[in-house]
Amino acid sequence: GENVEQHPSTLSVQEGDSAVIKCTYSDSASNYFPWYKQELGKRPQLIIDIRSNVGEKKDQRIAVTLNKTAKHFSLHITETQPEDSAVYFCAARGVGGGADGLTFGKGTHLIIQP
Amino acid sequence: DGGITQSPKYLFRKEGQNVTLSCEQNLNHDAMYWYRQDPGQGLRLIYYSQIVNDFQKGDIAEGYSVSREKKESFPLTVTSAQKNPTAFYLCASSKGRGQAGGYTFGSGTRLTVV
Repeated sequence: GENVEQHPSTLSVQEGDSAVIKCTYSDSASNYFPWYKQELGKRPQLIIDIRSNVGEKKDQRIAVTLNKTAKHFSLHITETQPEDSAVYFCAARGVGGGADGLTFGKGTHLIIQP
Repeated sequence: DGGITQSPKYLFRKEGQNVTLSCEQNLNHDAMYWYRQDPGQGLRLIYYSQIVNDFQKGDIAEGYSVSREKKESFPLTVTSAQKNPTAFYLCASSKGRGQAGGYTFGSGTRLTVV
């Protein structure tokens, strides 16, 4: 089955700087890659996603890039703000078998330093 | 609340007791899922259901049971066989295999053994 590795587990950046979180996946047939943000004690919420036929997608300060050859995808947050502090999860959806195929990374705790 | 409701928000279980966590969605989603979240462990899949009256074990199903008698509802029972049930439990739904979009999560139930 699919295996998703996420790095780093904790990331601390100064307010206003950029943050990058990276994930790798194992199933070359995976075709959908969402990112979720989870604030303390709350539900994960989808913030951006990308499909395998696209290399990059942007939404204001957030962007996701996908390298299918290398089987990795990254979340980029620019001009970070205090409200960006949260745990971020990447996920990958394979094809065939399993629970609709979403496998999650273990999460990155992003800390924005004032 | 976002189309998928979990209750209760907090639940306390005594040793040897079974407890049931509720999950209801009004999104007309076919698929529903239960995840367990422990610190540093990310999201681990307990059970999933792609369609009414059908469900499958996830990665950590031991000590848990589910039912899917209605499309809207996917309750999770934590049985006395689950030796370490203290965790944050998240229910999610999606349109189903092959459909566009990711998961919508409920707000979670925090279960504590007393």
